Amino acid sequence: DGGITQSPKYLFRKEGQNVTLSCEQNLNHDAMYWYRQDPGQGLRLIYYSQIVNDFQKGDIAEGYSVSREKKESFPLTVTSAQKNPTAFYLCASARQPGNQPQHFGDGTRLSIL
Amino acid sequence: GNSVTQMEGPVTLSEEAFLTINCTYTATGYPSLFWYVQYPGEGLQLLLKATKADDKGSNKGFEATYRKETTSFHLEKGSVQVSDSAVYFCALRLIQGAQKLVFGQGTRLTINP
Repeated sequence: DGGITQSPKYLFRKEGQNVTLSCEQNLNHDAMYWYRQDPGQGLRLIYYSQIVNDFQKGDIAEGYSVSREKKESFPLTVTSAQKNPTAFYLCASARQPGNQPQHFGDGTRLSIL
Repeated sequence: GNSVTQMEGPVTLSEEAFLTINCTYTATGYPSLFWYVQYPGEGLQLLLKATKADDKGSNKGFEATYRKETTSFHLEKGSVQVSDSAVYFCALRLIQGAQKLVFGQGTRLTINP
C-alpha cells in the first residue's frame, strides 16, 4: 500500500543536540511538507518542497533544516537553535500540480530530556 | 493574510446527537477548503473537501458546504457515534503558488455513549 512513513514515532533529545526526523513516501508525490503541532493549536508549516533539490521556508523555519535529495524522502533536522522543540511533527505530501489534497504520515513526537 | 477560525472546543455530545463545528476563513483569492480528522496518536486524514463556492463535500455522514458569501465551511453530521471522537481541523489552500495549507486551531470532539 502507498503511504507516508514517519520514523521514529517517539524521539527524545538532550539539550544542545541536533536530531533528524525521517519522512518517506511511496506515493510518487512531487511536493512534501513538514508541520509542527502544539497542544490546542493548529498545524504550522515549517518547510516545504515542491521538487527535488529545492525547498522553501514556511512560517516557523527558524531552528530547523531540511534536505530533498530524493523525491521520496524529506528529512527534517531539529537543531539546537530551536529553543522549544517539544512538539508533534507531521509530514505530508501531495501531487503537483493540481488541486490535490495533502496526505499525512502518523507523526513523530519529540520530547526534550 | 490568510487564516482559518474554528469553533472553540472541546465539544462533548451524546451518541446520535446532531453535530455542527463552525469554521470561517479569510483569504486573498479563491481557496479550496478542507476538513481533516485526527484520531489519538495519529496523523491527519482528509475527511472532505470543496473546491469552489456552493460545493458540498461529504464523507462518512459528515457534510460541509462552501459558502463564499459568509466565508464559512461548517462541518455537520446528523447523528454522531462514539467512533467520531477525534480532533477536527478546518483548513484552506490557495490554488496558486505552493498550495500550502493554512489550518484552524482544531476542535476536540468527544462523543459519550
